[in-house]
Amino acid sequence: KQEVTQIPAALSVPEGENLVLNCSFTDSAIYNLQWFRQDPGKGLTSLLLIQSSQREQTSGRLNASLDKSSGRSTLYIAASQPGDSATYLCAVRRGGNTPLVFGKGTRLSVIA
Amino acid sequence: DTGVSQDPRHKITKRGQNVTFRCDPISEHNRLYWYRQTLGQGPEFLTYFQNEAQLEKSRLLSDRFSAERPKGSFSTLEIQRTEQGDSAMYLCASSLGPRQETQYFGPGTRLLVL
Repeated sequence: KQEVTQIPAALSVPEGENLVLNCSFTDSAIYNLQWFRQDPGKGLTSLLLIQSSQREQTSGRLNASLDKSSGRSTLYIAASQPGDSATYLCAVRRGGNTPLVFGKGTRLSVIA
Repeated sequence: DTGVSQDPRHKITKRGQNVTFRCDPISEHNRLYWYRQTLGQGPEFLTYFQNEAQLEKSRLLSDRFSAERPKGSFSTLEIQRTEQGDSAMYLCASSLGPRQETQYFGPGTRLLVL
């Protein structure tokens, strides 16, 4: 059974700092990995999707990397802003038609 | 706003009552997923449709839960004889299909069972 772990569970940083969020998964036979952002009481917003054949994806200040063989992904946020404060969730899927398996998330606070 | 809508956004009910939630996916998305999220946890998969066919159900989906997607458009999730343990956020997501697999999530329906 696939298990997804996110470390740390919570993180507080001053504005402007670069930061890294970690995600690990137990079964390396994944199809793709997706990073989401969730604001309190709201739904999920997709940030980046990395196919199993890819090593990284970038969008603006966000960069996600994937090391499938070691079962790890990182989300790098550059020059953090208070508006980045949210919970960041990592999810993997084993096949194209299969549902996502989520970690518990990292709760990020960026202090002005 | 991702384009996926859910109704209602909040529901308070008494234990033993039936509740029904609705999800309207992004038009032309043929895949629709239901997830459940409790406080401090990531979403957990409940069930999945491709068009009108329900292709997969999680063991979390007890016989008190039923989901439909008539005509492959909107979907409903019904919970019969609600229990306090059903209190959670119910999230719906849709995706276009092969090679367009990003899942877009709705705002969720928050259920509180008293």
